[in-house]
Formats: sequence, structure tokens, C-alpha cells
Amino acid sequence: QSVLTQPPSVSGTPGQRVTISCSGSSSNIGSNFVYWYQQLPGTAPKLLIYKSDQRPSGVPDRFSGSKSGTSASLAISGLRSEDEADYYCAAWDDSLSAVVFGGGTKLTVL
Amino acid sequence: EVQLVESGGGLVQPGGSLRLSCAASGFTFSRFWMHWVRQAPGKGLVWVSRINSDVSITSYADSVKGRFTISRDNAKNTLYLQMNSLRAEDTAVYYCARGYCSGGSCYRNGMDVWGQGTTVTVSS
Repeated sequence: QSVLTQPPSVSGTPGQRVTISCSGSSSNIGSNFVYWYQQLPGTAPKLLIYKSDQRPSGVPDRFSGSKSGTSASLAISGLRSEDEADYYCAAWDDSLSAVVFGGGTKLTVL
Repeated sequence: EVQLVESGGGLVQPGGSLRLSCAASGFTFSRFWMHWVRQAPGKGLVWVSRINSDVSITSYADSVKGRFTISRDNAKNTLYLQMNSLRAEDTAVYYCARGYCSGGSCYRNGMDVWGQGTTVTVSS
């Protein structure tokens, strides 16, 4: 049972826009930055979004993050087959004094 | 090239110990927060521990508190995770990761560089 809640799976067709939600509480998302990671099969995670809505250099602008209250979202526009991966949200939790991850969302490109 | 390389994983019996290492290269290791994150087979990412640049701050997940110890040697550019009293549920790939810094600001809980992982299996 993860502290941050994500849908187990989402899917879309090439060119579509999909969103992945991440629900938390006032002690994590509500008061701290959200990070998003992409994990391609068999590889280490990659940072996609930091500070809730900022992209590190090199991350395509097809990826965008947002936060409102105790929830956050990752949007992927112009979906491509290479976007098929697991996506994780994460944040610091003030009550647990720990980084907490969501359970992960598997994106399938149909 | 910025790189993190983990080592030290292996098969250990329940109750045993292991020390993982993470060798950093291509950046000024002593300036960055560092993390350990693990992933059990077929499961999601779970944060384990973090340490700040001058070793004055450490944090642990409740599941490992009192059993695992994070440390670093900035002179050797190496991060460590001492794991004691290992349990079957500690079986996972263990990744070390660097805290993210950009434009003069550091976001200690974001992780931008990850190693390839080292596998720990706890079984009799």
C-alpha cells in the first residue's frame, strides 16, 4: 500500500494525450514538491519532472507536470511508442520524514 | 561522464548482513545529497535512505530504520549502505541515486542520476 496513489495502468494511441494522476495528502503533495520518474523496461528510473512542474534539460516538452492541493498529474502529449513505460510520482512526506513513491502506473501505447 | 556504479549485492541468509557500495564519477560527489532506492521483483520503487553532503543528516524509511545505515566517504567518492538483520522482504534491486541540482538550486528529494542497480537476495 503506497502513500501516494496512482492508477495501475493507463493507455493511449500514438499522438494522443494521456494523464497520470497521483493522489496524496497534506503532509506530502500538499506541502512539498512532486517528482515524476519514467522507468523503461529493464532500466533504471529517469527524472522527468521536478519541483512539481519543471522539466530537467533534455526532457521533451511533451511531458508536463502540475499540482493542485494534495494531487498531482503528469501529462504526456503526442504519445509515442517509446513512451511505453512505468511512471512513478514521489514527494517528501513531513509526517513520515521520508520520500514516498506512488505505486507506479504502466503506460501502454496501443 | 556522470556515473554511479553499485556493487556488493548477492545472496545472503535471513539475519545476515551486506554492505552495498556506490562509486560516483564525473561530478563533484561531495556537493550532492545521495539516496538509496530499492525495487522488489515485479514491484514498484521504494525509497530506503538519504544522506546530505556533509554527513550531518540521514533519513530512513521505517521499514529499514535500526537495521540499515547509510554513509559516505567524500574523499573516495563513494556511498554506502550497511544492511544488517536482513529479511526476505529486503530482496530487491538496490539503486543509488543523486539528489537533483539545477541552476544553483538543489532539490534534495529529486533524483536525477541513477546507477544500474545491484541485486540483493535474502533467502535460506
